[in-house]
Amino acid sequence: NAGVTQTPKFQVLKTGQSMTLQCAQDMNHNSMYWYRQDPGMGLRLIYYSASEGTTDKGEVPNGYNVSRLNKREFSLRLESAAPSQTSVYFCASSERGSSYEQYFGPGTRLTVT
Amino acid sequence: KQEVTQIPAALSVPEGENLVLNCSFTDSAIYNLQWFRQDPGKGLTSLLLIQSSQREQTSGRLNASLDKSSGRSTLYIAASQPGDSATYLCAVRPAYSGAGSYQLTFGKGTKLSVIP
Repeated sequence: NAGVTQTPKFQVLKTGQSMTLQCAQDMNHNSMYWYRQDPGMGLRLIYYSASEGTTDKGEVPNGYNVSRLNKREFSLRLESAAPSQTSVYFCASSERGSSYEQYFGPGTRLTVT
Repeated sequence: KQEVTQIPAALSVPEGENLVLNCSFTDSAIYNLQWFRQDPGKGLTSLLLIQSSQREQTSGRLNASLDKSSGRSTLYIAASQPGDSATYLCAVRPAYSGAGSYQLTFGKGTKLSVIP
């Protein structure tokens, strides 16, 4: 039981490049989330998926797109990376039956130069 | 808009001491409150979740309390150990359903150092 896994762990991009961050969970959770964590700003929600087939914007969605591929997988795409997107990205999942307790992945550290 | 504050931002204590971490929130209409631990360069680990109807939750040396009406929660750590050194974050989930209800609001954390 791996919980929430994320790939890659580290990534360096040049401004304007694109990439997709992958997230998978094996806890059979319905809800999945993408956060970014920046010094002094704390954790902020980018997008979430309440259930398979739905996605919604969070607090800071600009510059990102998401895809809920199936119940297990939720990806985050940067179409044209900008230095302001340098951050640590976390994926999380939760389930209504466990009071929406959120479980986090190990994170992806992204640097955009 | 919900705001979550954790004071102090950093705390250093000698090993063996009992300590309390504080979390305050501005909107008392919460569904639950969750305490997390984050080690440097790692993800968040859930420690305790308190429902809005509960007063406290315990797990081993950890005890979290919730006073919803005053907008406060505390995390009590008994007999602290160097392995407890980490950043501790609290987060609240709003009580309403629908758009925005899935969004946790996080505090910025308290960085705890337990000195051997």
